[in-house]
Amino acid sequence: QVLLVESGGGVVHPGRSLTLSCAASGFTFSIYAMRWVRQAPGKGLECVAVISFDGRTKYYADSVEGRFTISRDNSKTSLYLQMNNLRLDDTAVYYCARGDYWADYWGQGTLVTVSS
Amino acid sequence: DIQMTQSPSSLSASVGDRVTISCQASQDITNSLNWYQQKPGKAPKLLIHDASNLEAGVPARFNGSGSGTDFTFTISSLQPEDIATYYCQHYDHLLMYTFGQGTTLEIK
Repeated sequence: QVLLVESGGGVVHPGRSLTLSCAASGFTFSIYAMRWVRQAPGKGLECVAVISFDGRTKYYADSVEGRFTISRDNSKTSLYLQMNNLRLDDTAVYYCARGDYWADYWGQGTLVTVSS
Repeated sequence: DIQMTQSPSSLSASVGDRVTISCQASQDITNSLNWYQQKPGKAPKLLIHDASNLEAGVPARFNGSGSGTDFTFTISSLQPEDIATYYCQHYDHLLMYTFGQGTTLEIK
């Protein structure tokens, strides 16, 4: 079955960096676009980054452009999100999700808390 | 940028009621609109894609309709397990997503 497992979350000070990982299994990872969607506590959903199936095309939300980098390793069936210069308002549960026009599978999420 | 306005933000209904949620786009998005259900502490679950296509395994009491700028999500007969927050989501030509603000559904 399709499985997406995020890891790497934690507590970090403002201005610091953190890298999230998403391990995928149960499907042909290399043919799907993948994305990161976050949800701040008690808030709605925000798509922060998407990467094409081959890793050549990447797009970001304005809120993270220039600070976050999405990447993937198809040989390891893994998705990554490098987050630099973290801010208090980056505090959220970060989900990885599969799909281009719609996200049909999601991970369980990993919590990132930015706190001084 | 296209904005998605979802209403109401919260809704209280009784078991067996028909429930309707609206999602309005700031410009014509044809049928590039999906619906998700999110239960507390869980990841979102895709229910409907391209405005009206029910995902496999999703109960037939869930329905989506609309095109252009106005979309509707309907539960024909509310069940206790439908208590959740529902989101509409638009995808653009870059495959970036814009979500509605969400509608929290409660049992009366």
